Amino acid sequence: EVQLVESGGGLVQPGGSLRLSCAASGFTFSSYAMSWVRQAPGKGLEWVSAISGSGGSTYYADSVKGRFTISRDNSKNTLYLQMNSLRAEDTAVYYCAKCGYQLPNWFDPWGQGTLVTVSS
Amino acid sequence: SYVLTQPPSVSVAPGKTARITCGGNNIGSKSVHWYQQKPGQAPVLVIYYDSDRPSGIPERFSGSNSGNTATLTISRVEAGDEADYYCQVWDSSSDRGVFGGGTKLTVL
Repeated sequence: EVQLVESGGGLVQPGGSLRLSCAASGFTFSSYAMSWVRQAPGKGLEWVSAISGSGGSTYYADSVKGRFTISRDNSKNTLYLQMNSLRAEDTAVYYCAKCGYQLPNWFDPWGQGTLVTVSS
Repeated sequence: SYVLTQPPSVSVAPGKTARITCGGNNIGSKSVHWYQQKPGQAPVLVIYYDSDRPSGIPERFSGSNSGNTATLTISRVEAGDEADYYCQVWDSSSDRGVFGGGTKLTVL
């Protein structure tokens, strides 16, 4: 069974940093692209970032480009999202999701999410 | 950037058919994926590649995609289908993921 478990969320001040992790199990991690998707309170889904199975290609939404960095450690079956220069509008539940193939396409399954709150 | 447009809400009586649309410029040339999200839960993929169903998703869920509109169809709607539904594409021209704004399905 595929399992994705996010961690690292919490309360951070504007301008601060946070690193999210997503521990994966139940599949050959390096064979699949992975992605982060967020959902602000009461709002819809927003795609944030994706990374190819090898880690050689990364993709970002314009809203986070230059502030967030996605990475993966295939030896540890773990996906990361380093978030810097955080803003109030980054407040959301962050989900990690497995993509369908080596490159991003659809997202299945999703983790349970981790809440990031940016506030002073 | 590529934009997907969904109606904010759709209502349907139990046992009837619900159709949720997703509009986008020449969306028929893209692969559309659909997610169901119930309150307090993570999204679940219900349709991928326009019309394929993941294992475990009832046959009542189907999808189509042509021209400027993709459609998620839920037949014989049940109370348990009440949820938010999102369409999604991977826009290969910009290498970005794109979600529609979501549609709240209410079962009357």
